[in-house]
Amino acid sequence: EPEVTQTPSHQVTQMGQEVILRCVPISNHLYFYWYRQILGQKVEFLVSFYNNEISEKSEIFDDQFSVERPDGSNFTLKIRSTKLEDSAMYFCASKLGTGGGTDTQYFGPGTRLTVL
Amino acid sequence: GNSVTQMEGPVTLSEEAFLTINCTYTATGYPSLFWYVQYPGEGLQLLLKATKADDKGSNKGFEATYRKETTSFHLEKGSVQVSDSAVYFCLLGDSWGKLQFGAGTQVVVTP
Repeated sequence: EPEVTQTPSHQVTQMGQEVILRCVPISNHLYFYWYRQILGQKVEFLVSFYNNEISEKSEIFDDQFSVERPDGSNFTLKIRSTKLEDSAMYFCASKLGTGGGTDTQYFGPGTRLTVL
Repeated sequence: GNSVTQMEGPVTLSEEAFLTINCTYTATGYPSLFWYVQYPGEGLQLLLKATKADDKGSNKGFEATYRKETTSFHLEKGSVQVSDSAVYFCLLGDSWGKLQFGAGTQVVVTP
């Protein structure tokens, strides 16, 4: 069964450094998402991406964040200058996109980002 | 805005016990409702979903009914197994597909 994959599973970085989190969505899916979960808190929506552009973003997704689909398979989340409060589990998701809000989103296993 | 409230865990049960996890929501429009499960060390997997009022989603012995009158989508299973130990998330999806998560409920089933 196709699945969403994410690398790395755990990333440790120093405050102020740039990080890139990578995701490979399911190959025929059209919509892509990033979510994050700070320890002890709810999973929060960050951004959705369709047709090579951001379709929606949350207040969390400020200028320090960017997303890209550099080729036909990868979907990346870049944090330009990490802060301590960026430490969280980051989930990538994708969906086929033909069913609107009823479509199932498929999630990757997550990348745990630790900012020191 | 849309929101989901889910009962706090952890919920500890013996094998073959009945499981209920309460989930209520507030939303505008006509959201879809989902239950996802996260087994230890794995990603979130869809367990079941319902896309309109009175729909019942079911999978692996779990059931949930979309009740608009009580704005609820409670998850139930009649007889849990140790392998059902996981974290369960109630989610609401708006018409654009944006998901709102509940806090997650950890379920521990003991032999």
